[in-house]
Amino acid sequence: AQSVAQPEDQVNVAEGNPLTVKCTYSVSGNPYLFWYVQYPNRGLQFLLKYITGDNLVKGSYGFEAEFNKSQTSFHLKKPSALVSDSALYFCAVREARTSYGKLTFGQGTILTVHP
Amino acid sequence: GAVVSQHPSRVICKSGTSVKIECRSLDFQATTMFWYRQFPKQSLMLMATSNEGSKATYEQGVEKDKFLINHASLTLSTLTVTSAHPEDSSFYICSAALAGYEQYFGPGTRLTVT
Repeated sequence: AQSVAQPEDQVNVAEGNPLTVKCTYSVSGNPYLFWYVQYPNRGLQFLLKYITGDNLVKGSYGFEAEFNKSQTSFHLKKPSALVSDSALYFCAVREARTSYGKLTFGQGTILTVHP
Repeated sequence: GAVVSQHPSRVICKSGTSVKIECRSLDFQATTMFWYRQFPKQSLMLMATSNEGSKATYEQGVEKDKFLINHASLTLSTLTVTSAHPEDSSFYICSAALAGYEQYFGPGTRLTVT
């Protein structure tokens, strides 16, 4: 079975400060890892993914994430937060060896960036 | 690219009626589509995996006779909520898988059953 944990329900940061949204995962085999963002009453927007290769992945809107196999983590980061980054963020995992495999999502983290 | 649409975006129906939600991949062919349900301030719960031309695979606890899924073409999957009740009120989101990696999500459909 695969699972994802986002230990923080909420993260609050001031605009201009760096932000981190934490994610740890459990999966048998190699993981494919994803971050999505959701704005109110909207679907999910893809931010970035880790499939293989460089552990530091860069994605949309200045976000990046670092895959750490030993800690089974995939934390989302941004050097300088914007108020417009305020949204609900989901980390997701699926097992690499399954094609079109189902994603398992974390419970989500509400990011609030204060002006 | 990789745009997924859903229709309608919002629907209100009376208890006991059925409602159909469409999910379309607009600029790519999706062999596999997924249907999720999201309760307020909660994560996405996978309901079923829909493969073009075959029966959907439902997750444990999801009633296949209540949530009918049809994937008639590589660009269209439909979810029909039959005999809807207020407890079926929710936000329904579909996604389409591209090249076996990430899923691209539709904007969601807010269903309210009165």
